[in-house]
Amino acid sequence: GAGVSQSPSNKVTEKGKDVELRCDPISGHTALYWYRQSLGQGLEFLIYFQGNSAPDKSGLPSDRFSAERTGGSVSTLTIQRTQQEDSAVYLCASSLAATDTQYFGPGTRLTVL
Amino acid sequence: DAKTTQPPSMDCAEGRAANLPCNHSTISGNEYVYWYRQIHSQGPQYIIHGLKNNETNEMASLIITEDRKSSTLILPHATLRDTAVYYCIVRVRNSGYSTLTFGKGTMLLVSP
Repeated sequence: GAGVSQSPSNKVTEKGKDVELRCDPISGHTALYWYRQSLGQGLEFLIYFQGNSAPDKSGLPSDRFSAERTGGSVSTLTIQRTQQEDSAVYLCASSLAATDTQYFGPGTRLTVL
Repeated sequence: DAKTTQPPSMDCAEGRAANLPCNHSTISGNEYVYWYRQIHSQGPQYIIHGLKNNETNEMASLIITEDRKSSTLILPHATLRDTAVYYCIVRVRNSGYSTLTFGKGTMLLVSP
């Protein structure tokens, strides 16, 4: 079946602009995670959704970052007033339930000039 | 979650078996061993996981020692497309969600 999809695959933006990143999880997966990966670095957790609610937002680096999930499916990660340090690959993962295996999407490479 | 130790890099000839070791000596009884890989510029790909018994799927085999302090991921017939960074992690599965933390992993280079 279809895996996790993310769009856009690449996004180049200017410092100070807002960006929206989209994640379509595997159908039926109730848990959704956002991570980011900077060049040569490991995974950095951002936020976890169970259904439409986000019980853990502890990884969001600042109040410029927000995320929502609607209909228990698609999620959008929004970064306001982007900074150069926001440049990274943003990865979305989903799992059938919270305890299950996480499957990742291809990521969105964000470059802030 | 328990930490893992992996060699930074390994080489393998195409068509041969690739055996990737992982040490997780502080693993606790309810932690599973998971393997993911990341091919350059792609998202992490789930490979296999296990608790105590050896596991096999279409991608690989996972051999876990009896004391569970180490494991080996086996790619039986490595191809050039298996060149990637391989991550071994341990995580709890039965106490709610847990986020994934990848270490530096093992860079596997498969050569012709």
